[in-house]
Amino acid sequence: DQQVKQNSPSLSVQEGRISILNCDYTNSMFDYFLWYKKYPAEGPTFLISISSIKDKNEDGRFTVFLNKSAKHLSLHIVPSQPGDSAVYFCAAFWDSGAGSYQLTFGKGTKLSVIP
Amino acid sequence: DVKVTQSSRYLVKRTGEKVFLECVQDMDHENMFWYRQDPGLGLRLIYFSYDVKMKEKGDIPEGYSVSREKKERFSLILESASTNQTSMYLCASSSQFRGRSGNTIYFGEGSWLTVV
Repeated sequence: DQQVKQNSPSLSVQEGRISILNCDYTNSMFDYFLWYKKYPAEGPTFLISISSIKDKNEDGRFTVFLNKSAKHLSLHIVPSQPGDSAVYFCAAFWDSGAGSYQLTFGKGTKLSVIP
Repeated sequence: DVKVTQSSRYLVKRTGEKVFLECVQDMDHENMFWYRQDPGLGLRLIYFSYDVKMKEKGDIPEGYSVSREKKERFSLILESASTNQTSMYLCASSSQFRGRSGNTIYFGEGSWLTVV
């Protein structure tokens, strides 16, 4: 049973417009969320994160919003650039105590930014 | 910067061969992970390790084993490779302690394995 869901496998956006990638989760124990970006034939790279005590975190063109009551987070990219074309993974973090934690990934959303 | 190095980027192996995928990290991280990535299936955890000589099964451990004899090195072993193990394999590491980069997991470049 998937605890982190990215329901859109792909998204196409015109260059300069906003890209919105969505992620839903089911486990209320998750307390930290991360977004990773992955180009073909490369490992994922960390993009941005947000703690469950916040509802927004911004880093340049990237903003992550968290709605805890809806168990939903979204990544906004403004303005979108062709170099943003990649697969984006949402991940959720749960501190299970005793120095260990669980990390769960969604299946990813492939973003294509059209010039 | 954290560096996670996977020794082989591209491998082609025959069915039934024993395959070793090596991973080394240089940040003294306690946690190390092996994932595989397949189209439409995202990142799936195979095995992870919280300490030297310690291993835990992930979501899809069947057909794989791991070895962690030193803190910096985590090896994934395919005892008898099969065609359904053709995939991209990703090694990752992170600190055990939150607040000391423990909220971020760092990935290697990936190893493309083709089993024929």
